[in-house]
Amino acid sequence: AQKITQTQPGMFVQEKEAVTLDCTYDTSDQSYGLFWYKQPSSGEMIFLIYQGSYDEQNATEGRYSLNFQKARKSANLVISASQLGDSAMYFCAMRENNSGGSNYKLTFGKGTLLTVNP
Amino acid sequence: DGGITQSPKYLFRKEGQNVTLSCEQNLNHDAMYWYRQDPGQGLRLIYYSQIVNDFQKGDIAEGYSVSREKKESFPLTVTSAQKNPTAFYLCASSARTGPNQPQHFGDGTRLSIL
Repeated sequence: AQKITQTQPGMFVQEKEAVTLDCTYDTSDQSYGLFWYKQPSSGEMIFLIYQGSYDEQNATEGRYSLNFQKARKSANLVISASQLGDSAMYFCAMRENNSGGSNYKLTFGKGTLLTVNP
Repeated sequence: DGGITQSPKYLFRKEGQNVTLSCEQNLNHDAMYWYRQDPGQGLRLIYYSQIVNDFQKGDIAEGYSVSREKKESFPLTVTSAQKNPTAFYLCASSARTGPNQPQHFGDGTRLSIL
């Protein structure tokens, strides 16, 4: 079974509008972390935002926010006021605490390709 | 500036040849990782290392080898046993000061078969 599921292969949004990218995860750990990365066409992976499983507040970083619903095991990324430069692949990733807390491996979803239209 | 440097940017391999991808970081991170990315796919973990002189297999280690002789360096060798090596390879590193520390990535190496 997939640990990270991103159900939207592609999404389109108009410039200046908000967009939500979906991510659901599967884990039996109580302590885990969720990350979102952006990958432009050039290939580098850019860290956007982090949410810990025990964090009570939804994470925010500038125009990025995370809609964390623990009971539903979802961690959707919300991008507000989309810009043309936001066009990229977006990956959701999870770190599980299954090795005593010292193992920081990430498991990635397959990604969502976001296209921002002018 | 601190960061991760991967080289070369593009690499071509002949049949039966081993090739080595370089990854160097000056972020003083203990942990380093190698991922493989196929077109339209997410990242899959090949090998990772949490400290010098120690490394573990990831999900797709067959046909690959690594070494970690220095904290700054984590080279990946794609051996002739890897029958489908054409992919985009990404190196990453992270601090071990807490589970919320993100992994920082290099710009990647694109490997193709001649």
